[in-house]
Amino acid sequence: NAGVMQNPRHLVRRRGQEARLRCSPMKGHSHVYWYRQLPEEGLKFMVYLQKENIIDESGMPKERFSAEFPKEGPSILRIQQVVRGDSAAYFCASSPGTVLEQYFGPGTRLTVT
Amino acid sequence: QKEVEQDPGPLSVPEGAIVSLNCTYSNSAFQYFMWYRQYSRKGPELLMYTYSSGNKEDGRFTAQVDKSSKYISLFIRDSQPSDSATYLCAMSADNQGGKLIFGQGTELSVKP
Repeated sequence: NAGVMQNPRHLVRRRGQEARLRCSPMKGHSHVYWYRQLPEEGLKFMVYLQKENIIDESGMPKERFSAEFPKEGPSILRIQQVVRGDSAAYFCASSPGTVLEQYFGPGTRLTVT
Repeated sequence: QKEVEQDPGPLSVPEGAIVSLNCTYSNSAFQYFMWYRQYSRKGPELLMYTYSSGNKEDGRFTAQVDKSSKYISLFIRDSQPSDSATYLCAMSADNQGGKLIFGQGTELSVKP
């Protein structure tokens, strides 16, 4: 059973460009979570999605960030007009439905130049 | 005050030592407690999880939850150099819909 997959693993964007991060959950998992890890900080929750629904986006910045988990295909975290402060590691986790079992992917390291 | 406090370390121990890692928290509604291990530049790996209070053992790892003191621990017996990593505690409550609140992580180094 393949684990959570994220791509790209590394992404470099210039200020003002768009970043798209993709996450494929583990087989059989219908719950997806996105977290961000800033240098010298812990993991911070961003958004929780189920297929075609955003359940909790309380950790998402109000502007420029959006997330989706369509009926078909991976979950996408989209950051528009990136700024240097968006440079971080972005992790996706998936769960079969219980908060106790969130399995993380390898992350996407976003660098904004 | 952060909801979850964790000493960032670094913590350095000799191979074979018993390691104790701890977190304190302020939200009495937390019911779900997890420990993750994160190697450098990798994703967090779920080690153990518990619901509510009590102890749980898995091989060399033991997780303890003391809700009265708002304190959780992870013990590693017979520590190995391969245990060198950052250990993250995480917590959640029934009313938080699956959102995990993480500690800052403790960096552990096990010296051969």
